[in-house]
Amino acid sequence: GPKVLQIPSHQIIDMGQMVTLNCDPVSNHLYFYWYKQILGQQMEFLVNFYNGKVMEKSKLFKDQFSVERPDGSYFTLKIQPTALEDSAVYFCASSLWGGYAEQFFGPGTRLTVL
Amino acid sequence: GDSVTQTEGPVTLSEGTSLTVNCSYETKQYPTLFWYVQYPGEGPQLLFKVPKANEKGSNRGFEATYNKEATSFHLQKASVQESDSAVYYCALSSNYQLIWGSGTKLIIKP
Repeated sequence: GPKVLQIPSHQIIDMGQMVTLNCDPVSNHLYFYWYKQILGQQMEFLVNFYNGKVMEKSKLFKDQFSVERPDGSYFTLKIQPTALEDSAVYFCASSLWGGYAEQFFGPGTRLTVL
Repeated sequence: GDSVTQTEGPVTLSEGTSLTVNCSYETKQYPTLFWYVQYPGEGPQLLFKVPKANEKGSNRGFEATYNKEATSFHLQKASVQESDSAVYYCALSSNYQLIWGSGTKLIIKP
């Protein structure tokens, strides 16, 4: 099926540093998402993005978070500065259209903040 | 707000036995319901979705019926295989996002 890629697979950084997580969505998809999963806990929605804009964001999407997709390249999640509670696996997803369309997920980036 | 509740795991079964993973949901909207499966080291994969009440979705021997009256969407399989070992998530769509259950880890013994 359609593939979503995420780079890197693991990232370890010191608290307070900036980190950028990269997502290569399915090529003809128009909607993009980030989800966060802390080890052993539920998957939680962070943000979705369409036509260059954030459409919806959850309370987990703090002011230190930002997303963009410049010129149709990677869809990125930037955290600046990072905090200990940002340690989690971050999943990127994309869908062809919004609403009730199925979302296709990448393998995740495991972020460890020390 | 919207929520999804599903069977707590892990669930351990012997190969060839039947599976039921319960899922119930709360929403004031008219959702589309999904079952996803996640294998170790991978992202969730769509198992199937059901957009309409009282319809059934199925894939790879798994099936679930969207029961609007009972607000349920239980996952079933008649005969599980060792390769079905994974984590299964029930989810509903709401405001362009997925609301997830806590996941049910399924362990199949040969």
